[in-house]
Amino acid sequence: KQEVTQIPAALSVPEGENLVLNCSFTDSAIYNLQWFRQDPGKGLTSLLLIQSSQREQTSGRLNASLDKSSGRSTLYIAASQPGDSATYLCAVNGEDNDMRFGAGTRLTVKP
Amino acid sequence: KAGVTQTPRYLIKTRGQQVTLSCSPISGHRSVSWYQQTPGQGLQFLFEYFSETQRNKGNFPGRFSGRQFSNSRSEMNVSTLELGDSALYLCASSRDSWGDDEQYFGPGTRLTVT
Repeated sequence: KQEVTQIPAALSVPEGENLVLNCSFTDSAIYNLQWFRQDPGKGLTSLLLIQSSQREQTSGRLNASLDKSSGRSTLYIAASQPGDSATYLCAVNGEDNDMRFGAGTRLTVKP
Repeated sequence: KAGVTQTPRYLIKTRGQQVTLSCSPISGHRSVSWYQQTPGQGLQFLFEYFSETQRNKGNFPGRFSGRQFSNSRSEMNVSTLELGDSALYLCASSRDSWGDDEQYFGPGTRLTVT
């Protein structure tokens, strides 16, 4: 059974800092991995989708990497802004057709 | 292009009742997935419908069911509600099966069971 872990659970940084969020998973048999952000009381916004054959994806200040063999993904946020404050979730879509989410990292960017 | 919409946004029900939630996907999207989010369990996958057929199912009891119509709109039904069913229910749509394509989420329906 796939287990998805996100570290750290919470992170507080000053505006302008670069930061890395981590996601690890136990079963490397995956189709893809997706990073989302969730604002309080709202649905999820997709940030980046990485297929199992890819190593990384970039969108603006965000860069996500995937190392399937070691069961890890990182989300790099450059030059963080207060508007980046949210909970970041990674979701692993396994070859058993079950999507598993991590518990999320709550990010606070202080002005 | 309109996003994923869910109705109602908030719902209060009593234990033992049943409830139906609705999800309208983005135009052209054929896949709709449902998720339950609670503080204790986090986000858990319920099921996915693709072209009116349930393709994938998470580990939830049979009280949770769904269906998809020919216009891709989907409904989720929970029968014999329990206190533990209180949660934010999210639906997401994608062009193709969520195994292959990016998912877009709706704002959710917050269900409270008393």
